[in-house]
Amino acid sequence: DGGITQSPKYLFRKEGQNVTLSCEQNLNHDAMYWYRQDPGQGLRLIYYSQIVNDFQKGDIAEGYSVSREKKESFPLTVTSAQKNPTAFYLCASSALGTSGGPGTGELFFGEGSRLTVL
Amino acid sequence: DAKTTQPPSMDCAEGRAANLPCNHSTISGNEYVYWYRQIHSQGPQYIIHGLKNNETNEMASLIITEDRKSSTLILPHATLRDTAVYYCIVRGVSASKIIFGSGTRLSIRP
Repeated sequence: DGGITQSPKYLFRKEGQNVTLSCEQNLNHDAMYWYRQDPGQGLRLIYYSQIVNDFQKGDIAEGYSVSREKKESFPLTVTSAQKNPTAFYLCASSALGTSGGPGTGELFFGEGSRLTVL
Repeated sequence: DAKTTQPPSMDCAEGRAANLPCNHSTISGNEYVYWYRQIHSQGPQYIIHGLKNNETNEMASLIITEDRKSSTLILPHATLRDTAVYYCIVRGVSASKIIFGSGTRLSIRP
């Protein structure tokens, strides 16, 4: 079945370590996104990518890095520069188009990765 | 991208209609209104979207005002399983940057 897969679901890291969260989609979507969610809060945009080899910073990109070498993959690295990395991370993908019809523009989310810094 | 404003929380009795409002006064003419919901510790789920006409699907109805500055998501017969955080966002279909607000936490009373 088509979908978007995030791994790992739970991750623990020590302070000062970089960690990479995986996001893979087989929906043939052009756009991919990373969001961060803190307890009781909404989603905040970290990075997004519209095409391969291109990505833009969202509202809270500091301390994070991404790559988009393949259309189906958009990994997120949480670097040691991120001062408060403990959070729930969500990856999403979307088709881009102009019709506005069913399925156009709809975001598909993965199940999320919960990162805890010890 | 236009911003949206939603009440932080609402409650509704089980079996009654839940009406969730959203203000998007700066929406552009080519931007759609999308609604998602997030059940605890899961990824948000798409519910419905529309441009200017009212829309209905198997999950909900979307009512957009004539001036498009606000909308209402209607869950016609709320159940306990509808307890979630509901997000209203606006975006153009070719736009990449998608911003979520804080959403509305909907509680359903038995």
